Amino acid sequence: GGIITQTPKFLIGQEGQKLTLKCQQNFNHDTMYWYRQDSGKGLRLIYYSITENDLQKGDLSEGYDASREKKSSFSLTVTSAQKNEMAVFLCASRLGPNYAEQFFGPGTRLTVL
Amino acid sequence: DAKTTQPDSMESTEGETVHLPCSHATISGNEYIYWYRQVPLQGPEYVTHGLQQNTTNSMAFLAIASDRKSSTLILPHVSLRDAAVYHCILRLIASSSFSKLVFGQGTSLSVVP
Repeated sequence: GGIITQTPKFLIGQEGQKLTLKCQQNFNHDTMYWYRQDSGKGLRLIYYSITENDLQKGDLSEGYDASREKKSSFSLTVTSAQKNEMAVFLCASRLGPNYAEQFFGPGTRLTVL
Repeated sequence: DAKTTQPDSMESTEGETVHLPCSHATISGNEYIYWYRQVPLQGPEYVTHGLQQNTTNSMAFLAIASDRKSSTLILPHVSLRDAAVYHCILRLIASSSFSKLVFGQGTSLSVVP
C-alpha cells in the first residue's frame, strides 16, 4: 500500500498573500490532481499532472499555479489569497489516466483572515 | 458534463441494508459511474465503479439500471463506520484519455445503533 501526505494540514493566511500547499505520494503513481472542496459542496478540479513536469489546467485554475518537479510530489500555489478561498484543498493520485481508482490525501484546510 | 442527482440525506440503523439511489439521466455511453465516500476531516475514499453490469466488491454492491439512467449503491449490514457522505459521480473521458471526476453534493448517510 501507499499513502498521500499533504502539508500543512491547516493553513492560515492573510488576504493577498501567496500560499503554497504540498502533496507527496509514495504509490509511484503517474497522475496527480488538486481539487478544491467548499463547505457542503462537491470537489472542483484545479490542476492535474499526467507525469513529472506536466501541468494541465482544470476547471478552477485561475488564481492558482502548480508545480510537478518530480513524480512523487505536486505543489499548489494560491497566488493571492482572497476571503472567498476558505476551503479544503485535496490532493489525489492515480496510477495512470485510464485506471479506475483515485486515492486522496487528508486535505489542507485554508483560512484567509 | 453529465450530472447526478442524489438525496441530501438518509438514515439507517446498524445491521440494516442501505440502498443509496443516484439519478444520471443524461449519462453518455462512454461515462463510468463511480461511487466515493467521505468522512469529516478526510479525503474521499473509493467505493466502487461500473459501466453497464452490476458490480460487487468487499464494500458494496452497485446495481445499474438497464438504461443506465440511474444506479443504486447497496451497503449490506451497515455499521457506524459506514456513516459518511456518499458521492455518485461520472467519469468523463477527455480526448487525451485523461479523465476527471466531477463531484456533486452527495448523500449524507447517518447510522444509528
